[in-house]
Formats: sequence, structure tokens, C-alpha cells
Amino acid sequence: KAGVTQTPRYLIKTRGQQVTLSCSPISGHRSVSWYQQTPGQGLQFLFEYFSETQRNKGNFPGRFSGRQFSNSRSEMNVSTLELGDSALYLCASSPGTAGALAKNIQYFGAGTRLSVL
Amino acid sequence: GQQLNQSPQSMFIQEGEDVSMNCTSSSIFNTWLWYKQDPGEGPVLLIALYKAGELTSNGRLTAQFGITRKDSFLNISASIPSDVGIYFCAGRRRIQFYFGTGTSLTVIP
Repeated sequence: KAGVTQTPRYLIKTRGQQVTLSCSPISGHRSVSWYQQTPGQGLQFLFEYFSETQRNKGNFPGRFSGRQFSNSRSEMNVSTLELGDSALYLCASSPGTAGALAKNIQYFGAGTRLSVL
Repeated sequence: GQQLNQSPQSMFIQEGEDVSMNCTSSSIFNTWLWYKQDPGEGPVLLIALYKAGELTSNGRLTAQFGITRKDSFLNISASIPSDVGIYFCAGRRRIQFYFGTGTSLTVIP
């Protein structure tokens, strides 16, 4: 079955603009998580959506927001872009089950490379 | 958020050598995962581990879920040039995933 699809792959924006990134999860997966990856900072968790509700949130400012649609597709929005927002944004989908025995694995998309000038 | 302690941070090895890396945490996990990331791409899942003590292989890769559930290791045998990349460990506790800081592997032909 198809993997996680992120669009667009590359984006160039200027400071102050806003941007919307899209993620289509693996069919049947109900959870979508977003991560920011910068050199030296590793994977920083932004938020997770499950069944159209934000279930978990990282430590990012309110300029970063997201939503999930009924078909589990998710979008992430960053408003008032800053130079420091330049990063690879990764989306990961998983079944979203929480039990200790659950085979709940995250699969990643190829990412969206955002450059803020 | 919490990150796992992954070591070593980087490795430079000769082609054909074996590689070993590990992740530790002060907390227990229900699942341990190992990913490989190539430049400009998303992490690709290599191995998933679900039970304490579990040992799983995927070709030349072998990973183990630590008995204490607080650690995991990944071994790569007979390394080849295409093994180059960044390897991440991840632990799952309930709905939350925690990631290691990555091990950058360079294979010298």
C-alpha cells in the first residue's frame, strides 16, 4: 500500500509569510504526527492528531498549528515565518493505538524542506 | 520533549567492519524502533521490537530490546558503502514516541 505522502517537497518563503504543509498518511492509519528537524537539533515533536483531534503537543509557539481531516489527511500551518523556521518538516503516520502490546509504529514521509529567506 | 541517549554520535569505519550503536533511557518503553535516514529524506523504518529481550534481524542488521526495557542496540555486520546515513532509535510509551539524537555513520571504501 502507498506510504506517507508529503507535499510539497520543497518550499521557499520570506520572513513574515505563512506556509501550509500537507501530509497524507498510510491508508487505515488514524494518527499523524509532525516533527521539525534541523541540523544538530534532531527530531523535535510538534504535535499529533488522532481522529481529527490534537492529542499531543510539543513545545513550539502558537505560530505552529495543525489540523486533521475526516480522511486522516493532515495539514500543518506556520504563520509569520522566521529565519529559524528553516528546517525539514516530517510527517509520520501510525495506527495510533496506545496499548502496551499494540504494534503502533510510526512511518515517515520524505519531508518538506522549508527555506525561509 | 524527552530524547533518548544515543551513542556514539558519529562513526567512521572501513567497509566490511561491523558496527554497533545503542540507545538508553531512564524510562521504560513498550516498543523500540530503529530508523535510517538518508540526506534530504525521511527516516525509513529498519527494525521494530515489541518485547523485552526480543532479538530481531533484517538482513545484515540485528537489533535487541533490552531486558530492562530501558535500552536497545543495533548491530550492522559487514558494512557496505550504502550503509552511510544517520541512524535513529525511537521508543514508544503509550501514544508518545521519543527519539534519539542519531548516529551518523560513514563507511570508507
